[in-house]
Amino acid sequence: DQQVKQNSPSLSVQEGRISILNCDYTNSMFDYFLWYKKYPAEGPTFLISISSIKDKNEDGRFTVFLNKSAKHLSLHIVPSQPGDSAVYFCAASDSQQGGKLIFGQGTELSVKP
Amino acid sequence: NAGVTQTPKFQVLKTGQSMTLQCAQDMNHEYMSWYRQDPGMGLRLIHYSVGAGITDQGEVPNGYNVSRSTTEDFPLRLLSAAPSQTSVYFCATYRGIDEAFFGQGTRLTVV
Repeated sequence: DQQVKQNSPSLSVQEGRISILNCDYTNSMFDYFLWYKKYPAEGPTFLISISSIKDKNEDGRFTVFLNKSAKHLSLHIVPSQPGDSAVYFCAASDSQQGGKLIFGQGTELSVKP
Repeated sequence: NAGVTQTPKFQVLKTGQSMTLQCAQDMNHEYMSWYRQDPGMGLRLIHYSVGAGITDQGEVPNGYNVSRSTTEDFPLRLLSAAPSQTSVYFCATYRGIDEAFFGQGTRLTVV
């Protein structure tokens, strides 16, 4: 059973607009959440994270929102740029169990000029 | 400082053959993991390790074996390759508990 779900396989937005990528989780023990970005033929790279004690974390154009009651998180990219086109993976962990990140299926973002 | 190095980058195996995917890190991280990436399935955890001599199963461990004799190395063994193991395999190390650094991947095809 998929503990972390990204229900949108793809998303297309215009350059300069906002991109919103969504993620849902089922395991109540998860207390740390991360977003990774992946280009073809490369390994995923860390983008931004959030602890369950927060509901928002910002880093430049990237903001992650966490709604614990809904077991939902989202990544906002503002403004979107063509270089943001990639696959984005949501991941979650129970901080009591290191080395055991659980990933979603990924969302392929395409930002059109 | 190479980070996480995976070898080989590409491999074709025949059904029933065995092989070892190598993963080496120079970041002195305790936690390491192996994932496979398949279309529509995302990254699925195969095995992970919290330190030398300690390994445990992830979400999809069947058909794979691991060992961790040193901090630096975490090889993944396919015991008897099957077409269902055709995938891209990623090794990761962790800064702290959660922030993972990935290798470039090994693309494996089993025919």
